[in-house]
Amino acid sequence: KAGVTQTPRYLIKTRGQQVTLSCSPISGHRSVSWYQQTPGQGLQFLFEYFSETQRNKGNFPGRFSGRQFSNSRSEMNVSTLELGDSALYLCASSPGTSSYNEQFFGPGTRLTVL
Amino acid sequence: GENVEQHPSTLSVQEGDSAVIKCTYSDSASNYFPWYKQELGKRPQLIIDIRSNVGEKKDQRIAVTLNKTAKHFSLHITETQPEDSAVYFCAANERGAGGTSYGKLTFGQGTILTVHP
Repeated sequence: KAGVTQTPRYLIKTRGQQVTLSCSPISGHRSVSWYQQTPGQGLQFLFEYFSETQRNKGNFPGRFSGRQFSNSRSEMNVSTLELGDSALYLCASSPGTSSYNEQFFGPGTRLTVL
Repeated sequence: GENVEQHPSTLSVQEGDSAVIKCTYSDSASNYFPWYKQELGKRPQLIIDIRSNVGEKKDQRIAVTLNKTAKHFSLHITETQPEDSAVYFCAANERGAGGTSYGKLTFGQGTILTVHP
């Protein structure tokens, strides 16, 4: 099975712009979770989508949003970028049917905001 | 919400020694505790996990123990090798506003493990 893929791998944006990141889960997985990884805050949960519905949400401002398509691919969008949004954005997929499901991570998108 | 504390933040050992990383969690409803290893520039990968109805789990040189009463769990690596050098993260699932804990993990701050040959 192919692993989780994320595009693009690297992005450079300026403050005030918006950005869209994409995540393709493992075939058959219906849950996609998004995390922000920074040196200072570690790995922080953004939100989780299952069958095109947001099922859980972390403590991030409304500038961070996401969606999921019928093929389980997911996108996250960050509007009005701030310098502090520079981070590695990781998505993880799982079957989404149990709290014990392993989450498989993608390689991440490295976002730099100038 | 869930809070996961992880110690130590850095750990340096000699090849062949054991390494122990400890985590505590706050949400008594958490029932799944995975450990991830992240090598430099790579994605996090699951190395072992434990459910709340189990006290200990082993997989070759790696073991995890869970004390539900005290709300802490630990990772034990024996006979460490240089290739064990990486950042290790503990995590706990957390019931979110959606009413489920599916797909929502709270992570510890990570431990940088260095194994010297």
